[in-house]
Amino acid sequence: GESVGLHLPTLSVQEGDNSIINCAYSNSASDYFIWYKQESGKGPQFIIDIRSNMDKRQGQRVTVLLNKTVKHLSLQIAATQPGDSAVYFCAETSYNQGGKLIFGQGTELSVKP
Amino acid sequence: NAGVTQTPKFRVLKTGQSMTLLCAQDMNHEYMYWYRQDPGMGLRLIHYSVGEGTTAKGEVPDGYNVSRLKKQNFLLGLESAAPSQTSVYFCASSYGWGSASYNEQFFGPGTRLTVL
Repeated sequence: GESVGLHLPTLSVQEGDNSIINCAYSNSASDYFIWYKQESGKGPQFIIDIRSNMDKRQGQRVTVLLNKTVKHLSLQIAATQPGDSAVYFCAETSYNQGGKLIFGQGTELSVKP
Repeated sequence: NAGVTQTPKFRVLKTGQSMTLLCAQDMNHEYMYWYRQDPGMGLRLIHYSVGEGTTAKGEVPDGYNVSRLKKQNFLLGLESAAPSQTSVYFCASSYGWGSASYNEQFFGPGTRLTVL
């Protein structure tokens, strides 16, 4: 995962703009990736996942892109809304790891009205 | 459905005290997990369970013990708390795991633990 630190990377966007949150994962053997959203004071909430045999997956207003060559994952949020303000985490794992997720540091998304 | 619930929500301990955190889920999930989250960091897996009566170590298991006596409950114990265990603890559960399974992990609201 990403380097450990006390200061989260932050992304500030205007309401209605598209947001792109990036994540570098560490293990080339990982074959399953998940994005989580964590609002202040709450537990993480599943957004979208992608398997390593795919390079793109779309959900409702969200798209995840996977580039295995450079071990990079991104989350795109279309028409960002104030309710999207949260910390976003990517997580990596392998199907043979029994659900053991490795989380990245997280990115704080702030949406300006 | 209540989903995943955690008890207590907050706790303050003195160094050397013990306590147990309780996680309960009402979704009939097989897999359950305990994570800790420190400021500015992602979650790290402490222990997990793939079914009733089973437990396994995660990324940071030292200083913690777990038990899964009932399918719906997963207990996390601290036998002798240390200041380094000050953190927010999250429990999660999933239906199963694997390429042919439904893998979403559902998280509880967290327990904020301070060890003085």
